Amino acid sequence: EIVLTQSPGTLSLSPGDRATLSCRASQSVSSSFLAWYQQKPGQAPRLLIYGASNRATDIPDRFSGSGSGTDFTLTISRLEPEDFAVYYCQQYGGSLYTFGQGTKLEIK
Amino acid sequence: QVQLVQSGAEVKRPGASVKVSCKTSGYLFTDYQIHWVRQAPGQGLEWMGWINTNSGDTKFSQTFRGRVTMTRDPSISTAYMELSRVRSDDTAVYYCARGAVVFDIWGLGTLVTVSS
Repeated sequence: EIVLTQSPGTLSLSPGDRATLSCRASQSVSSSFLAWYQQKPGQAPRLLIYGASNRATDIPDRFSGSGSGTDFTLTISRLEPEDFAVYYCQQYGGSLYTFGQGTKLEIK
Repeated sequence: QVQLVQSGAEVKRPGASVKVSCKTSGYLFTDYQIHWVRQAPGQGLEWMGWINTNSGDTKFSQTFRGRVTMTRDPSISTAYMELSRVRSDDTAVYYCARGAVVFDIWGLGTLVTVSS
């Protein structure tokens, strides 16, 4: 099973800042099979990025994904108040799926 | 629009079984897998398994193998997840999600509380 490790656990930033979230895999992941989700309190997760770098429907262009192999990054270029949430990476491999443990993005 | 509507909250005694439903609408049910993901209070997301809504084939996380059953009824566009022999650490919100490689539409979740 591929283990995804996200860092940092908590990121404290201000609106307007740039956020960089990391997701590291225990073995190589196909870029096609790496996604990012956003979850706000009391809500279901929402798909942000699929295929490592493709924005899902209606996702603003301030969200971008990059990376390959074992290292992937989610970048939010200029934080808006509604972006403060928990972010999860997720991978698919061999018919099995795993999530990272999450990064909480909080207001500084 | 595409929707996944889950059944209501459940309270179960340890050792019992719980069955959660996920009724879909707005798309052809058999075009997408249904996955189940759970989230314990204050914790992260944990993938449980998926069902091929066309064939009924299933695949489970090792964590749940032997305790979880996933079924579907295409005639009413509904998928089901049943967890047996529940324990207190099975207390969580259980989500169904549509998808293949990624999960693009999610249900709102079903809170399952296991308490004696």
